[in-house]
Amino acid sequence: AQTVTQSQPEMSVQEAETVTLSCTYDTSESNYYLFWYKQPPSRQMILVIRQEAYKQQNATENRFSVNFQKAAKSFSLKISDSQLGDTAMYFCAFSDLQGGSEKLVFGKGTKLTVNP
Amino acid sequence: DAGVIQSPRHEVTEMGQEVTLRCKPISGHDYLFWYRQTMMRGLELLIYFNNNVPIDDSGMPEDRFSAKMPNASFSTLKIQPSEPRDSAVYFCASRGQGSLEAFFGQGTRLTVV
Repeated sequence: AQTVTQSQPEMSVQEAETVTLSCTYDTSESNYYLFWYKQPPSRQMILVIRQEAYKQQNATENRFSVNFQKAAKSFSLKISDSQLGDTAMYFCAFSDLQGGSEKLVFGKGTKLTVNP
Repeated sequence: DAGVIQSPRHEVTEMGQEVTLRCKPISGHDYLFWYRQTMMRGLELLIYFNNNVPIDDSGMPEDRFSAKMPNASFSTLKIQPSEPRDSAVYFCASRGQGSLEAFFGQGTRLTVV
């Protein structure tokens, strides 16, 4: 079974600085998808960024980028120029669509606080 | 589209009572997922449907939990009888065929006292 591990329960960063959230996963599949979701205090789950395992290039979405290390099964999220609105829980998630399973497997989350 | 709509947003009920959570997925989406979020266990998949058919219900904790999808625009998650340990936030999500992104509703916070 696939597992996703986020080793940092909480993190904080000063506004305008850069922060990196860690995520590792375990799978025997070669093709899969990885995601970072954001959950602000409103509780809404919002997709931040995704990465297809077959793509070597790291995904980037504005201030958000990932460092995908397939051999190490690592998928970290970097937030540049942190803003107060980035304060939220961040969840790393895995999906093995090629294996016939449609579900997302989530890590336990990292609570990020951006301080003014 | 208004997104995935869940109701109610909050539910407080007494132990032993029946609870029904409702979800309207995004129109045109073929997949519907029910997740439960707790502090201890994080986000867990309970069950998911494809074209209204339950595909994987291995995450449903007990027979007290049941889910239905009578049509493409509506699904329910029922707990009968409810217990305090069922207290959690329950999320519904939907996804289109061939799409990688699942869209989540705002969740129902259930408190069983």
